[in-house]
Amino acid sequence: QLQLQESGPGLVKPSETLSLTCTVSGGSISSSSYYWGWIRQPPGKGLQWIGSMYYTGTTYYNPSLKSRVTISVDASKSQFSLKLSSVTAADTAVYYCARDPANGHGNNYFDLWGRGALVTVSS
Amino acid sequence: SYELTQPPSVSVSPGQTASITCSGDKLGDKYVCWYQQKPGQSPMLVIYQDTRRPSGIPERFSGSNSGKTATLTISGTQAMDEADYYCQAWDSSTWVFGGGTKLTVL
Repeated sequence: QLQLQESGPGLVKPSETLSLTCTVSGGSISSSSYYWGWIRQPPGKGLQWIGSMYYTGTTYYNPSLKSRVTISVDASKSQFSLKLSSVTAADTAVYYCARDPANGHGNNYFDLWGRGALVTVSS
Repeated sequence: SYELTQPPSVSVSPGQTASITCSGDKLGDKYVCWYQQKPGQSPMLVIYQDTRRPSGIPERFSGSNSGKTATLTISGTQAMDEADYYCQAWDSSTWVFGGGTKLTVL
């Protein structure tokens, strides 16, 4: 059964780059037509989509974060990664990775989620 | 950018029907999904493609979408349904979440 697991530093200093990895186990990240996405949730607040990547490598980013976000894939390791630069305290959140089955025609949703990783931005 | 609006909170008595709305411009022309999130847990998909339930989701969860409003309906609400609920749609290559609704089962 496919599982997603986020990993990375739990504490990042202001102005530095947040880096997280999502490991996909139980299946291949590149053999099927899925989107792989990152979503975050500040403490006590709602969900915010950060960005998604199609299995071909095409990326899509939230316009409000686009200048600071990079999503990439390492298919050999069944991993995809998130980098968020120039972080501030406002970037403190639980970061989730998730899978979108890419059914097409705007029918986009996340059907499988990781457990989430709390990242705190503080000096 | 596209926006989805949800009421911050909804209350329902056990056994009654809860309705949570999600509104957006021409939302009926888009596909909407809904997630349930309980404290300390990851979101879980409960409705996709406006009306479809993933495997394992109880039949008491249903969805509709028309005009400017999508609605998640929980029939015969149980205490275990108390959670935050988020709607989500896709617009111009972006995934958009509503602000979330806290469902309280009184």
